[in-house]
Amino acid sequence: DGGITQSPKYLFRKEGQNVTLSCEQNLNHDAMYWYRQDPGQGLRLIYYSQIVNDFQKGDIAEGYSVSREKKESFPLTVTSAQKNPTAFYLCATRQGTAGNTIYFGEGSWLTVV
Amino acid sequence: AQSVTQLGSHVSVSEGALVLLRCNYSSSVPPYLFWYVQYPNQGLQLLLKYTTGATLVKGINGFEAEFKKSETSFHLTKPSAHMSDAAEYFCAVSKGDDKIIFGKGTRLHILP
Repeated sequence: DGGITQSPKYLFRKEGQNVTLSCEQNLNHDAMYWYRQDPGQGLRLIYYSQIVNDFQKGDIAEGYSVSREKKESFPLTVTSAQKNPTAFYLCATRQGTAGNTIYFGEGSWLTVV
Repeated sequence: AQSVTQLGSHVSVSEGALVLLRCNYSSSVPPYLFWYVQYPNQGLQLLLKYTTGATLVKGINGFEAEFKKSETSFHLTKPSAHMSDAAEYFCAVSKGDDKIIFGKGTRLHILP
């Protein structure tokens, strides 16, 4: 089945712990994105990557890290430096130029306990 | 810097009534414009997009939007609301680089 797979769907983290959210795609898309969604604030861009081994900070990158070692994979690590990590995280991909559609995964809920 | 403003965080319409969700953008160059829909606990799904050409864009589920450059608007409409249209709707803009900026969303409520 083609698409974007995010895992886990639900994740609980203790304060002070790092956690990694997985995003895998088999669409063969070049660009991948991570967004954070909070109620009433829409989607905010954390990091994005246009090609393997390269990525750029978005608007709220502090406290997060990413890697892009393979075209299919773009994991997001939420570090202990992120002061308010409880949110819904969305991974997305796009092929080609900026006018093309961006496709989303089903999202991951992260809760700090 | 480009930005997107969605007027009204919540909109309620009666079933069968016209749906109008407003979106205004700011961009120094002609933008690419998108509308997405999100159902609870799910990712976003594309409804429609404007890139070039005809300014009235038709999308899925009976939705359409009109790009008005003079008003910097891209409002989403549907002639007759259905209960299944209840969801959150996001307007987004891209000016040609790899960043896509989303509005804060409008939650659409359908009244029986």
